[in-house]
Amino acid sequence: GQLLNQSPQSMFIQEGEDVSMNCTSSSIFNTWLWYKQDPGEGPVLLIALYKAGELTSNGRLTAQFGITRKDSFLNISASIPSDVGIYFCAGPTPNFGNEKLTFGTGTRLTIIP
Amino acid sequence: DVKVTQSSRYLVKRTGEKVFLECVQDMDHENMFWYRQDPGLGLRLIYFSYDVKMKEKGDIPEGYSVSREKKERFSLILESASTNQTSMYLCASKGGSLYNSPLHFGNGTRLTVT
Repeated sequence: GQLLNQSPQSMFIQEGEDVSMNCTSSSIFNTWLWYKQDPGEGPVLLIALYKAGELTSNGRLTAQFGITRKDSFLNISASIPSDVGIYFCAGPTPNFGNEKLTFGTGTRLTIIP
Repeated sequence: DVKVTQSSRYLVKRTGEKVFLECVQDMDHENMFWYRQDPGLGLRLIYFSYDVKMKEKGDIPEGYSVSREKKERFSLILESASTNQTSMYLCASKGGSLYNSPLHFGNGTRLTVT
């Protein structure tokens, strides 16, 4: 089964709306990363979280490291057209050191004109 | 800026063909990775390499092999392509640990096996 599950799988929103998505696992993660993939490009790192309970912002994006260390959340405020893309959570694969990442299933964000 | 270049954007191959996907990075990174991306499954690691001539299996290595003869180049090989290998393939590189260096991805190769 998938180690990291993201919800929702896809979102259709209007420009200006706020967005919330999450990532859950049955395993504990010590680092949570959020990547974004623009259409036709490779994913790019948005935010990194290193401590349980940590809340980190990057512009209109805010991510949180869940207290249980088994989940993480990403919020986007006042969405704009360039927010379109696929958002992936990721973390170091449990029991595999820090060099191998496991990625989530992805959340595809579409903005309805 | 780190640049990870994948040699082909689109490839169409026939079942049974041997397929080479090439990836080159220009930042002297030790670590290089091959992922495949499928809808609903996210990115899954095929193989990675932490040094020249070194390779480690990822989560889905079956049907694939890799080659890292030079530090900047990491090749993914499909020995005998099958239709279930139709996918988007992403190469990435990284220097240092996850705590101070993110993955840098190429723009992907969309492979169709007919």
